[in-house]
Amino acid sequence: AQSVTQLGSHVSVSEGALVLLRCNYSSSVPPYLFWYVQYPNQGLQLLLKYTTGATLVKGINGFEAEFKKSETSFHLTKPSAHMSDAAEYFCAVSLPYNFNKFYFGSGTKLNVKP
Amino acid sequence: DAGVTQSPTHLIKTRGQQVTLRCSPKSGHDTVSWYQQALGQGPQFIFQYYEEEERQRGNFPDRFSGHQFPNYSSELNVNALLLGDSALYLCASSSSGQLHTGELFFGEGSRLTVL
Repeated sequence: AQSVTQLGSHVSVSEGALVLLRCNYSSSVPPYLFWYVQYPNQGLQLLLKYTTGATLVKGINGFEAEFKKSETSFHLTKPSAHMSDAAEYFCAVSLPYNFNKFYFGSGTKLNVKP
Repeated sequence: DAGVTQSPTHLIKTRGQQVTLRCSPKSGHDTVSWYQQALGQGPQFIFQYYEEEERQRGNFPDRFSGHQFPNYSSELNVNALLLGDSALYLCASSSSGQLHTGELFFGEGSRLTVL
């Protein structure tokens, strides 16, 4: 069975500091991996995805994530936090043979302090 | 290019009532999936529609049903509402087969409150 674990339901950083949001997955086959962001009272917006190829992927708004198969991880990072990054972030996986069904983590709320 | 649109954005129902939520997929997409996002949780897969048929289903009771129309739009119906059905219902669309780029495109959701 597939599952996604996001360590830390709340993360707080200062503006300009490194952002690190953790995601580990469990999957029977190499999955597709995604990070989505959700602002209050809005839907989900794709930040970045890994399907195949280069394991370091860059997304919108300066975010990037690295797929580490040996660690079954797909942590999200951003070198310098901005106030506008405050939102909830969801890690998700899907399977290559069933790519329309996503399994989401429980989310991490990012707070950015001035 | 219109993205995924959902209606209504907010609604309040009482226990035992029925609700219908609507979704229009992104232009060019033919597959619609529905997710339930309870407060403080990640989205949970309800079911998926393709070619007007339910292709797969998550762990939700039969009170949850859906439909897809020839123009690819979709409805989610929930009967005999329970307090626990209060959630944000998200519609996601994608293209099938080789046109699929991997990600799902989400609407802004319909927030259902059951009193």
